Amino acid sequence: GAVVSQHPSRVICKSGTSVKIECRSLDFQATTMFWYRQFPKQSLMLMATSNEGSKATYEQGVEKDKFLINHASLTLSTLTVTSAHPEDSSFYICSAPSGPGEKLFFGSGTQLSVL
Amino acid sequence: SQQGEEDPQALSIQEGENATMNCSYKTSINNLQWYRQNSGRGLVHLILIRSNEREKHSGRLRVTLDTSKKSSSLLITASRAADTASYFCAADQGAQKLVFGQGTRLTINP
Repeated sequence: GAVVSQHPSRVICKSGTSVKIECRSLDFQATTMFWYRQFPKQSLMLMATSNEGSKATYEQGVEKDKFLINHASLTLSTLTVTSAHPEDSSFYICSAPSGPGEKLFFGSGTQLSVL
Repeated sequence: SQQGEEDPQALSIQEGENATMNCSYKTSINNLQWYRQNSGRGLVHLILIRSNEREKHSGRLRVTLDTSKKSSSLLITASRAADTASYFCAADQGAQKLVFGQGTRLTINP
């Protein structure tokens, strides 16, 4: 079945540094990918929709300069948390549909801890 | 908030019993999906029910959808210890943009 690979699975960084998270569709092409954020014991909140070859669409309240999204190919989207601060610590998950109207496949998530 | 609601927030039952989780959403949908998440992991798709469907089965899973009430339920029959996880409903509002419910933490006691 379709697989979405996300890495790193865990990252610890110092405050002020930038962290890049990769999301890859392994056996299908994804013109669209989605990035979510999840706090402990809470639900997933959609942050942005990553569009291959064009700008990402951000949800209300999500700072686009803080969370840079690049979708340069049909199989790779990246999320860069710039100048990370402790409040950015969270679980970030990506997903991609295998086709229009098809179910989403999720990456295994990245636990970001900013010290 | 666009997010849906789920109840109960937490459910603890004995192995072999049935588990029922409910979900409500706020907007019109193309379909509603249910996902499972083990602690600290990604989500696993369980089942999708389209807006013109009322009930769907997959193995030990049974999902219902009532679009007039904007609600859905997930029933897991003959529960097993391995079913322990968090379960989320997700409403597809279009363009596969999902709005997730708050989730139900299910614990199956051996």
